[in-house]
Amino acid sequence: QKEVEQDPGPLSVPEGAIVSLNCTYSNSAFQYFMWYRQYSRKGPELLMYTYSSGNKEDGRFTAQVDKSSKYISLFIRDSQPSDSATYLCAMKGSNFGNEKLTFGTGTRLTIIP
Amino acid sequence: DSGVTQTPKHLITATGQRVTLRCSPRSGDLSVYWYQQSLDQGLQFLIQYYNGEERAKGNILERFSAQQFPDLHSELNLSSLELGDSALYFCASSVGPSGLRAEAFFGQGTRLTVV
Repeated sequence: QKEVEQDPGPLSVPEGAIVSLNCTYSNSAFQYFMWYRQYSRKGPELLMYTYSSGNKEDGRFTAQVDKSSKYISLFIRDSQPSDSATYLCAMKGSNFGNEKLTFGTGTRLTIIP
Repeated sequence: DSGVTQTPKHLITATGQRVTLRCSPRSGDLSVYWYQQSLDQGLQFLIQYYNGEERAKGNILERFSAQQFPDLHSELNLSSLELGDSALYFCASSVGPSGLRAEAFFGQGTRLTVV
């Protein structure tokens, strides 16, 4: 079983829709949670960074972490064609041995104009 | 621009050769990570350094090695290259290995093609 599971999609939604992306994980040592956006063959771009459980909002993006369920989400409101990309969740712990970033496989998202 | 610089951007080399990929982290970042991304594959963790010391190791082949220098830049050395080593190689950096400044920023990658 992978430490981080992410639905690879592909996911296609119409412009303006709300997008929900999710990851589950099994390692209870994970405390820091990140969402990255990666355009084709480019470097991953950090979108959101959260620590422990709770919500964080930045513009059209909201990240949610539920440590009790080992479940994280990224919501994109008013989706735009420029949001079409692969979205990667990543997480890490704070103790030695869990400090590397562990990634999900990524969800490929297409926003249809 | 993430502030992480990787050179070269593209590299084409023959099987059996050796190459060196270079990464300059963001100013102030002490931790460096290397990842491999093959076509349509996820990001595979290779190795992490913190302030010059190896911090964590992933499934890095014995033909691959890395180091972080006193000026904090890092190099990934790939030797006896095989066709299957063709991939994007990413470097990322963060202030520290953990803690509230643990978010990592990625460079634009080096695209390695082995022919």
